[in-house]
Amino acid sequence: GAGVSQSPSNKVTEKGKDVELRCDPISGHTALYWYRQRLGQGLEFLIYFQGNSAPDKSGLPSDRFSAERTGESVSTLTIQRTQQEDSAVYLCASSLLGGRLFFGEGSRLTVL
Amino acid sequence: DAKTTQPPSMDCAEGRAANLPCNHSTISGNEYVYWYRQIHSQGPQYIIHGLKNNETNEMASLIITEDRKSSTLILPHATLRDTAVYYCIVRVPYSGGGADGLTFGKGTHLIIQP
Repeated sequence: GAGVSQSPSNKVTEKGKDVELRCDPISGHTALYWYRQRLGQGLEFLIYFQGNSAPDKSGLPSDRFSAERTGESVSTLTIQRTQQEDSAVYLCASSLLGGRLFFGEGSRLTVL
Repeated sequence: DAKTTQPPSMDCAEGRAANLPCNHSTISGNEYVYWYRQIHSQGPQYIIHGLKNNETNEMASLIITEDRKSSTLILPHATLRDTAVYYCIVRVPYSGGGADGLTFGKGTHLIIQP
């Protein structure tokens, strides 16, 4: 597709389970970002990938969170041993280096 | 923390110009001002950006003060579909992410009244 695609759009899981969220960036975009947005809050930066450089993980809230990206393609955000406070919309964005961000529609995670 | 300050909410009548302010008093010389908006339950959408000159595109105009410490996003003829949260951020293009690279605050919730 022409835009950033995220899946699943909705995920309900039980506390303690692991979840994987996927992001397909716009083809050719070297930069990829993950954000978390809790209900009624702003966007919280999580992690940034740029080409083959080491990712900027400075926003990851704990070691339960990790993300991978192979080259300039798909990225996966993994949350291990989910907690209720992980409930949020997880947004992915991609861009050309230094360009404007194009966001996906997000993955809504609910941890029961 | 975000490097910008915005009012939490604003109302505007449909058909009128909506003027959204943003303070960025600590902006550095090579940082651009970007505006995005987020309509309910959607991902944020780019609107406009600028360095020091005023900018206009099909969506909006951006007015940046001479000292660059504040800016105003102008939606010239607001419609009900412009109801959204508007985010003002500053960043250096061609830089990385990081907590400072693209931190979005809570933005301004603009409500267009019929």
